[in-house]
Amino acid sequence: GESVGLHLPTLSVQEGDNSIINCAYSNSASDYFIWYKQESGKGPQFIIDIRSNMDKRQGQRVTVLLNKTVKHLSLQIAATQPGDSAVYFCAENIQGTYKYIFGTGTRLKVLA
Amino acid sequence: GAGVSQSPRYKVTKRGQDVTLRCDPISSHATLYWYQQALGQGPEFLTYFNYEAQPDKSGLPSDRFSAERPEGSISTLTIQRTEQRDSAMYRCASSPGQLQETQYFGPGTRLLVL
Repeated sequence: GESVGLHLPTLSVQEGDNSIINCAYSNSASDYFIWYKQESGKGPQFIIDIRSNMDKRQGQRVTVLLNKTVKHLSLQIAATQPGDSAVYFCAENIQGTYKYIFGTGTRLKVLA
Repeated sequence: GAGVSQSPRYKVTKRGQDVTLRCDPISSHATLYWYQQALGQGPEFLTYFNYEAQPDKSGLPSDRFSAERPEGSISTLTIQRTEQRDSAMYRCASSPGQLQETQYFGPGTRLLVL
């Protein structure tokens, strides 16, 4: 299948540990942010989102943190599992538009 | 349909030829997006279509690229006079229609220009 992210930053974590993936976004006018997971050979899949009026949002095993002051976004995955191995992208939405800007991505490797 | 579909899944063409890629969004979805994803990078916005908004084609890299959604459902992305730098994965996504709704991505079309 397709190989996503041949030269992406890689985060390696032990199975069961927590993972933190970081992203810096670029546009001060962005007010909606999404994390996507992309497995080899597949399209990006929505994980969790957050709007700019929040600084934290939790889902099942995942938490997104937003720091608008420094334009930083992070994704925390609790109790990382082998199935979490993938490339993770953050994306920002320019306020009032349908335009999304994706970050460069981070490859997460879960070690057994 | 059950999900976003794209065709062809793979396309090999010679430099200078025109190619047309097709996207069939989720049937109830009003908004359709096209992205270009180079190997090792995140998707780059090309354009979108929404019934209530003017199409935004600001992401199309050159006038060789054009996109249409003539009947409001299926969309095509055409690249004229292809160049080797056009080689990439082209992804389509759709969302229900309002701003800031979840996008659902298709499997993509892998384009290789020789």
